[in-house]
Order: sequence, then C-alpha cells, then structure tokens
Amino acid sequence: NAGVMQNPRHLVRRRGQEARLRCSPMKGHSHVYWYRQLPEEGLKFMVYLQKENIIDESGMPKERFSAEFPKEGPSILRIQQVVRGDSAAYFCASSPSPSGANVLTFGAGSRLTVL
Amino acid sequence: AQTVTQSQPEMSVQEAETVTLSCTYDTSESNYYLFWYKQPPSRQMILVIRQEAYKQQNATENRFSVNFQKAAKSFSLKISDSQLGDTAMYFCAFWGMRFGAGTRLTVKP
Repeated sequence: NAGVMQNPRHLVRRRGQEARLRCSPMKGHSHVYWYRQLPEEGLKFMVYLQKENIIDESGMPKERFSAEFPKEGPSILRIQQVVRGDSAAYFCASSPSPSGANVLTFGAGSRLTVL
Repeated sequence: AQTVTQSQPEMSVQEAETVTLSCTYDTSESNYYLFWYKQPPSRQMILVIRQEAYKQQNATENRFSVNFQKAAKSFSLKISDSQLGDTAMYFCAFWGMRFGAGTRLTVKP
C-alpha cells in the first residue's frame, strides 16, 4: 500500500505561470483534502473533494485556484498565474469516508517556489 | 465556524522530562473528534492521538496522553519521558480538517 502520493515534490514557477499539483489518495480512499502550509505556519484547509465532487471549498482563494478529483486519475490542485505569495508547501490527505472521525493519511507534500 | 488555537508557538524540554502542549477550540457541536498530529523535520504528517468528545476518558498512546476538558474546550497533549525523536511541529486538529497554527517542540539532550 503506497500511501498518499504527491507529485511533484518540488516545483519552481515564474510569476504568471501555472502550477499543477497532483495527489493520488491511498488505495481504497475516495476523499481528498488539500492544505497549504506557509513557511513557519500551520496547515490551512483549502478544499475537500470526493470523486467528481467538490464538497467543501471554503478555504480556497476565490481566484486563480481550482481543484478537481476526476473519476479516474489523481486529484489536481491548479494555481493559475502564480504570484510570489503562492510559494508554500501544499499537502494532500485522504480518508476512506467523509466522517470527521477518520484519521487523515497525508502525503509528503509538494513545495512550490515562485520566482 | 470552528477555530483551533495553539497559544505556544515554541516550546523546549529536556530529554526524559514531561511537557504539555496546549490547544483550545471553539465549536457549537456536541460530538466531534479531536486530533494531535506531529510533523517532524521530514515534513511528513503523522497522527499522534485521537479523542472522541463523547468519551469521558482521556486517550492515551504509550508516552502520549491528552487532557480533554470538554466544558473548557481544551485539549492538551502531554508527552512523558520526552525523546529526541519527539522534536517536531505539533498540530491540534478539530474533526481532522481544521488545524491550529502549531507548536514547535524541541527536545534537548
């Protein structure tokens, strides 16, 4: 069981480019959560998705950010026209059901650097 | 909206001693789950302990235990016999989705 796989681990983009971060949940998990961690700060919830559905996007910036979790393939967090303030570590987690009682399994994170 | 507050940005403890990390939260729900996760220098998030609000008994996992005070909405983590490998960021989480800002714990030899 490979756990939650995130790629790329490191991504460098110039201002104005697009960043795509991918997350493959743990086998048997159909619920995915994305978090952003700014340097020396905590985890900020961004979005919660189930296959083909966005359940809660209350933490997602209204512009430039989008997320999807298609029926086939990984979940993708997309950041358009990146700015320096988007530089952060982005973590994905998965769970087998929507219950908040579940322990989340986290990936190793993707570190985005915007030049 | 639920909020989670960790008021201690940094703490340190001598190896083999005991340390307590604080967490308070705000919610109107009556039943929920609370979690402590640790993030070592590798940045991999690891579950430390989980507590169901419905249960009176405080959760314990080996050297880690919680002091859950539901009325006070407090959920502190006690680490006994601290080890160098306990050095990490510790995050308190509500329902597993809302995280506090974290406490950086350093265990000194």
